[in-house]
Amino acid sequence: DGGITQSPKYLFRKEGQNVTLSCEQNLNHDAMYWYRQDPGQGLRLIYYSQIVNDFQKGDIAEGYSVSREKKESFPLTVTSAQKNPTAFYLCASSAGLAVLEQFFGPGTRLTVL
Amino acid sequence: GENVEQHPSTLSVQEGDSAVIKCTYSDSASNYFPWYKQELGKRPQLIIDIRSNVGEKKDQRIAVTLNKTAKHFSLHITETQPEDSAVYFCAATSTGFQKLVFGTGTRLLVSP
Repeated sequence: DGGITQSPKYLFRKEGQNVTLSCEQNLNHDAMYWYRQDPGQGLRLIYYSQIVNDFQKGDIAEGYSVSREKKESFPLTVTSAQKNPTAFYLCASSAGLAVLEQFFGPGTRLTVL
Repeated sequence: GENVEQHPSTLSVQEGDSAVIKCTYSDSASNYFPWYKQELGKRPQLIIDIRSNVGEKKDQRIAVTLNKTAKHFSLHITETQPEDSAVYFCAATSTGFQKLVFGTGTRLLVSP
């Protein structure tokens, strides 16, 4: 999991602003995922991508957008349409296809002021 | 869709005791069941996993059991140590795909 990086570690945003969280991996993994974690809750899937230029909505995609232009990069944009964006955001990757183990990045803590 | 329930939400044990965390899943097609450990402010780390063709798997003090008929799986930690204190998450694959659905987590506290 040391091959997955997220930046920044902490992010502060004013209401009404869009913000983009970075996720990069050098593991040559095909699949990448974005999760949101709130206190006392599990990890909820926002978006995932199995291959470049393709991605699918997860369980809580409203107010978020992603792109997958490169295999190693899967940025997440938190838009102003997301009503309660303050949370801990985790990116993960897996080798893809039948390889199911997911490895996580260190996370980005987003706070809306 | 897949639903994963995890119990208990908190678990306090004395050092040296055993700890058991249980999860149930709803999708009979689920075929992969990982367990993650997350320390405060850190990323989740995979500690053990099991596939649907295996009933039990052990790695030193950690073991996972799977009952496909009852659709539940459990994490067993023996001889607990203070450094085992963390939040533990179970997960299961969703129908026919590589998505993981996570339980809500168990906060384990091991007291010296």
